[in-house]
Amino acid sequence: DVKVTQSSRYLVKRTGEKVFLECVQDMDHENMFWYRQDPGLGLRLIYFSYDVKMKEKGDIPEGYSVSREKKERFSLILESASTNQTSMYLCASSRYTGGASSYEQYFGPGTRLTVT
Amino acid sequence: GQQVMQIPQYQHVQEGEDFTTYCNSSTTLSNIQWYKQRPGGHPVFLIQLVKSGEVKKQKRLTFQFGEAKKNSSLHITATQTTDVGTYFCAGPNAGGTSYGKLTFGQGTILTVHP
Repeated sequence: DVKVTQSSRYLVKRTGEKVFLECVQDMDHENMFWYRQDPGLGLRLIYFSYDVKMKEKGDIPEGYSVSREKKERFSLILESASTNQTSMYLCASSRYTGGASSYEQYFGPGTRLTVT
Repeated sequence: GQQVMQIPQYQHVQEGEDFTTYCNSSTTLSNIQWYKQRPGGHPVFLIQLVKSGEVKKQKRLTFQFGEAKKNSSLHITATQTTDVGTYFCAGPNAGGTSYGKLTFGQGTILTVHP
């Protein structure tokens, strides 16, 4: 079974703090993704990575950065947390595809981040 | 950019009634995927459709992919309380190589009253 784990289920941080969210997958997947989920907005892609040290911006990258030093680990960084970054953050992984197709994504349990 | 629209946003049904959610893409899709997220849980992959006009069934769930590959639907027959949750459709990003990126619909939240 594919397993995607995230470092925390719940996190409370203060405005201006630097926040690290970590994600680890154990299926040797090339692709890893970070989404945020807000009511009525579905899943919005923040960043994704298709290889170690490779990253691309998603639809809403502002205020976030990522790091992928090892294939199994993908970190999301909030450089200076703000209240509008209060959300559910979901990490996902999938096998690599170079074409226009896609494989299913496997999600972690999510981190509910509150910024006060 | 590519948009994937899903309706309705909410659906309340009595147990035993049928349920359908619809998904429309602004671009032609090479495939479409469906996910289910239980309350308090994370999205879990249900199925992928690839061919134009494809219909797939999983027990009481029927998935369809439109002839033009721009729309899809999920139909649940005789809902049960275990069907509650949010159903998402998702399609690969348009514009050449997607690297496996998906654009998700907003989701349909299904409530089933016993």
